[in-house]
Amino acid sequence: RKEVEQDPGPFNVPEGATVAFNCTYSNSASQSFFWYRQDCRKEPKLLMSVYSSGNEDGRFTAQLNRASQYISLLIRDSKLSDSATYLCVVRGVGSARQLTFGSGTQLTVLP
Amino acid sequence: NAGVTQTPKFRILKIGQSMTLQCTQDMNHNYMYWYRQDPGMGLKLIYYSVGAGITDKGEVPNGYNVSRSTTEDFPLRLELAAPSQTSVYFCASSLGDITYEQYFGPGTRLTVT
Repeated sequence: RKEVEQDPGPFNVPEGATVAFNCTYSNSASQSFFWYRQDCRKEPKLLMSVYSSGNEDGRFTAQLNRASQYISLLIRDSKLSDSATYLCVVRGVGSARQLTFGSGTQLTVLP
Repeated sequence: NAGVTQTPKFRILKIGQSMTLQCTQDMNHNYMYWYRQDPGMGLKLIYYSVGAGITDKGEVPNGYNVSRSTTEDFPLRLELAAPSQTSVYFCASSLGDITYEQYFGPGTRLTVT
C-alpha cells in the first residue's frame, strides 16, 4: 500500500463547479498534513495546511479525519486559474520528519 | 529575495557522466532538501540537511551525494549517471521542520541517455 494515495484524475469541471479531492495515508502516527499545488512544469507551492478541526481559506476547504486516515480538499466556485495538480502531503514521524507526497490529482477547469 | 534558485534548468547527460546540480537559497533557512519527481509520480526525498555541515539520506539516496558547507548552498552530485536518474529535481528549503512551509526552487530537468 502506498503511504499516501490520491485519485490521479483527471478531473475536468466547468467554471463555477464545486470539486472535491480525497487522499488516504497509511501511517496512523503521521503528524502534519498539507495540500500543495503544482502547475504544469512548475515547482510545488503550499496551498494550505490541514488541521484536525478543518480549515477554510476563501474558496478552499480542507478536512482531516484521523480515525479513517483521510484528508480532503474542497474547491468551490472553480476558476480557470485553479487548473493544476493538487498534491496531498503528509509529514511522518521520527527524526527526519520527512514529507511524503502523493502522486497528485490533476484538475482542469473548463470555460 | 530570489528565494530558492537552481541551476541548470535543463541538462542532458550521457550514461556514466557526472554532474552537480546547484541549489542556493537566500532566506537564511536551516533546512534544505533535494527531491526527484518522475512523470506522474509524487516527489521523493533524496537527501536533506538540517544545517551547515549536517546531511542525511532520504528515501532514494543511491547514486547521489550532497554537501552543505554553507547555510545558503546545497549542491547535489550525480556520479556515473544512469537512465534511471532521468527526472525533474527540485531543491527546497524551510525555516524549521514540523509546521514550516517548504519553499521549492524551479527545478532541473535532467535526461540521461
